[in-house]
Amino acid sequence: GDSVTQMEGPVTLSEEAFLTINCTYTATGYPSLFWYVQYPGEGLQLLLKATKADDKGSNKGFEATYRKETTSFHLEKGSVQVSDSAVYFCALWAGYSTLTFGKGTMLLVSP
Amino acid sequence: DGGITQSPKYLFRKEGQNVTLSCEQNLNHDAMYWYRQDPGQGLRLIYYSQIVNDFQKGDIAEGYSVSREKKESFPLTVTSAQKNPTAFYLCASSIMGQGNTEAFFGQGTRLTVV
Repeated sequence: GDSVTQMEGPVTLSEEAFLTINCTYTATGYPSLFWYVQYPGEGLQLLLKATKADDKGSNKGFEATYRKETTSFHLEKGSVQVSDSAVYFCALWAGYSTLTFGKGTMLLVSP
Repeated sequence: DGGITQSPKYLFRKEGQNVTLSCEQNLNHDAMYWYRQDPGQGLRLIYYSQIVNDFQKGDIAEGYSVSREKKESFPLTVTSAQKNPTAFYLCASSIMGQGNTEAFFGQGTRLTVV
């Protein structure tokens, strides 16, 4: 079945550091890929998405490129801020039933 | 504004009691979902519905029940058969049948057994 694997957290960074959160997936066909963000005590918000190979999703300084050859969708940001502290979820939608989520990666950014 | 609303935000349940979590959306989405979130376990699918009067079990449906009498509403009942119901519950909705489907989430309900 479909699955998403994310790096375990927490990821602890200082403000203005470079961020990478790894995400790899297993799916049949050609899934759409998503990154969601969850701030403390809240629901999930869509951060970015990509629907086909080599697409780059971007939003609020975050980027991720759909790499079919490595089945990956790593999240990156050049300079993190304290306000980026949250839990980040990688997810895929393979065209049937429901989204499949990774377990989430907590990011902690200190001033 | 269109969106998805969960209520209440906090809920306390006594042992052996059934409780119902509300989820309403005005996005005209066909599909709705319930997820449970526990620390370190990510999101686990409880039930989902793709059309009114129809729903399917997810990965952890035991001890839960749902109904979908209206397109806008997808309430979740946590029954006394659910042995460990303390968790954060998230409701979501999406358009069906499109390759770039994204899910929109409510703000969640935190359920605690007292």
